[in-house]
Amino acid sequence: NAGVMQNPRHLVRRRGQEARLRCSPMKGHSHVYWYRQLPEEGLKFMVYLQKENIIDESGMPKERFSAEFPKEGPSILRIQQVVRGDSAAYFCASSPLLEETQYFGPGTRLLVL
Amino acid sequence: AQTVTQSQPEMSVQEAETVTLSCTYDTSESDYYLFWYKQPPSRQMILVIRQEAYKQQNATENRFSVNFQKAAKSFSLKISDSQLGDAAMYFCAYKGYGNKLVFGAGTILRVKS
Repeated sequence: NAGVMQNPRHLVRRRGQEARLRCSPMKGHSHVYWYRQLPEEGLKFMVYLQKENIIDESGMPKERFSAEFPKEGPSILRIQQVVRGDSAAYFCASSPLLEETQYFGPGTRLLVL
Repeated sequence: AQTVTQSQPEMSVQEAETVTLSCTYDTSESDYYLFWYKQPPSRQMILVIRQEAYKQQNATENRFSVNFQKAAKSFSLKISDSQLGDAAMYFCAYKGYGNKLVFGAGTILRVKS
């Protein structure tokens, strides 16, 4: 059973460009979570999704950030008009229904020049 | 809101010795889960151990064990027979009713040979 997959692993963008981060949960997992880790800090929750539904987006910045988990395909975290402060590691985690443990992907390191 | 505090930014241990990492948390919820995750230099987040708050027995996983003191809201991690591969950043995390994980700031563990 493959683990949580994230791509790309590294992404470089210039200020003002768009960043798209993808996450494929583990097989059988219907819940996806996105977290952000700024340099030298712990992980901070961003958003929790189930298929076709955003359940909790209380950690998402109000502007430029959006997330989706369509019926088919990976979950996407989209950052529009990136700024240098968006440079961070973005982690996706997944869990099955009624399971408390979240399993993490390898992360995407975003660097904004 | 729930908070997680790791008061030790950095710890060192001699190979084959035992080390304890501290974690305290603040919550008004009665049912919750606590986790320790390990983040080696690869930055992958690896689950080390989990504890259900309703269980009085402390969780153990091979060389890793916890000391869960619910009344004191304390959740420390003990690593026995430390190995070089244990060197990493360790994060304590809380999960309550809201599904999201709340992380501490982390403790860097260095293992000396």
